[in-house]
Amino acid sequence: GQQVMQIPQYQHVQEGEDFTTYCNSSTTLSNIQWYKQRPGGHPVFLIQLVKSGEVKKQKRLTFQFGEAKKNSSLHITATQTTDVGTYFCDSNDYKLSFGAGTTVTVRA
Amino acid sequence: NAGVTQTPKFQVLKTGQSMTLQCAQDMNHNSMYWYRQDPGMGLRLIYYSASEGTTDKGEVPNGYNVSRLNKREFSLRLESAAPSQTSVYFCASSEGGNYNEQFFGPGTRLTVL
Repeated sequence: GQQVMQIPQYQHVQEGEDFTTYCNSSTTLSNIQWYKQRPGGHPVFLIQLVKSGEVKKQKRLTFQFGEAKKNSSLHITATQTTDVGTYFCDSNDYKLSFGAGTTVTVRA
Repeated sequence: NAGVTQTPKFQVLKTGQSMTLQCAQDMNHNSMYWYRQDPGMGLRLIYYSASEGTTDKGEVPNGYNVSRLNKREFSLRLESAAPSQTSVYFCASSEGGNYNEQFFGPGTRLTVL
């Protein structure tokens, strides 16, 4: 089974609003990666976090690694239609699978 | 650089038929992976190869075999296809080690009737 859980599984967002998706682990992680998959496409790497409390930004996307390195979050501000897709987190501590991801739809 | 390539893009099989999905990468990566993706199930790891000459089972290996032919190529074989293997299959590669950015291929959409 999956050791890294993502919530929520689905996120319906009004264009222009903010939202956050979370990735939780029962054990301490050495690192975490985030990916985005557009509908009909393949997953594309977004970022890797390694340090406790690390925060990285990519334009409207903010990624954070928890102080205890057991959770991570992706916050998107001013959601646009280009943000539609499924966002996955992964850690190479677990050579099993990605989670189900958070599938984001946007209402114009 | 083509990155990760997969063939074929689409395939329809009858139950009991066999086939091999091909994957190649031109990034000199050490590690390669095969995933399947089903609606609502995320990406589930079938097999992976941490380095040339090694292969290991992932979460859902039953019904599949793999071959790491050389550093570039990692194939996935279905010996006797079943309808439960209808899925989208992705191959990926990474440098390995502590930095694990994975590069994915475009996927193979497989239907087993």
